[in-house]
Amino acid sequence: DIVMTQSPDSLAVSLGERATINCKSSQSVLSSSSNVHYLAWYQHKPGQPPKKLIYWASTRQAGVPDRFSGSGSGTDFTLTISSLQAEDVAVYYCQQYHSLPRTFGQGTKVEIK
Amino acid sequence: EVQLVESGGGLVKPGESLRLSCAASGLTFTNAWMSWVRQAPGKGLEWIGRIRSKTDGETTDYAAPVRGRFTISRDDSKNTLYLHVSSLEIEDTGVYYCTTDAFDSWGQGTLVTVSS
Repeated sequence: DIVMTQSPDSLAVSLGERATINCKSSQSVLSSSSNVHYLAWYQHKPGQPPKKLIYWASTRQAGVPDRFSGSGSGTDFTLTISSLQAEDVAVYYCQQYHSLPRTFGQGTKVEIK
Repeated sequence: EVQLVESGGGLVKPGESLRLSCAASGLTFTNAWMSWVRQAPGKGLEWIGRIRSKTDGETTDYAAPVRGRFTISRDDSKNTLYLHVSSLEIEDTGVYYCTTDAFDSWGQGTLVTVSS
């Protein structure tokens, strides 16, 4: 199984400041045939289902604000919230969909400082 | 708009069984590959398994912790996905979500509590 490890487990950021979450996969999630990384990011708020933000490591889902961006390659990936808003308080997960079983990181809790 | 509505959760005793349902609308369910994901209290997201469309064989894949105890099935005539859970353990307690296999759309989840 591909193990996904996120860091940090939690972070507190001031409103308007940048939040950065890291995700490392234990194996490459690069598809050799399509040359894209099978890596997604989700936002999960209490009482709501998870919401997909980013796929292919850096492509924003339709309707996701452009303050959310994904980057990375190989086995190291990053989700950046460029200017944290109050509504961004949530737990964020990375996930690989390169191989079965699909696996998620342990989650990173983002709070307001 | 895709809508997924889970039902069937509840309080059960260890060793018992349950059938969760997920009613789908707003998508061509017949062609959709579907997955189940769960979240134990205070824990992260865990993929349970998926089912392919009938056209693609209606075959299933499962995560190791549930293989042999959980069964995913579908009824395309009812646009409904199922998760049959048996030999339930306390560690199976959590919110169970159905999702499209691309994880683009999620239901609100149904809570399963396993307790003696």
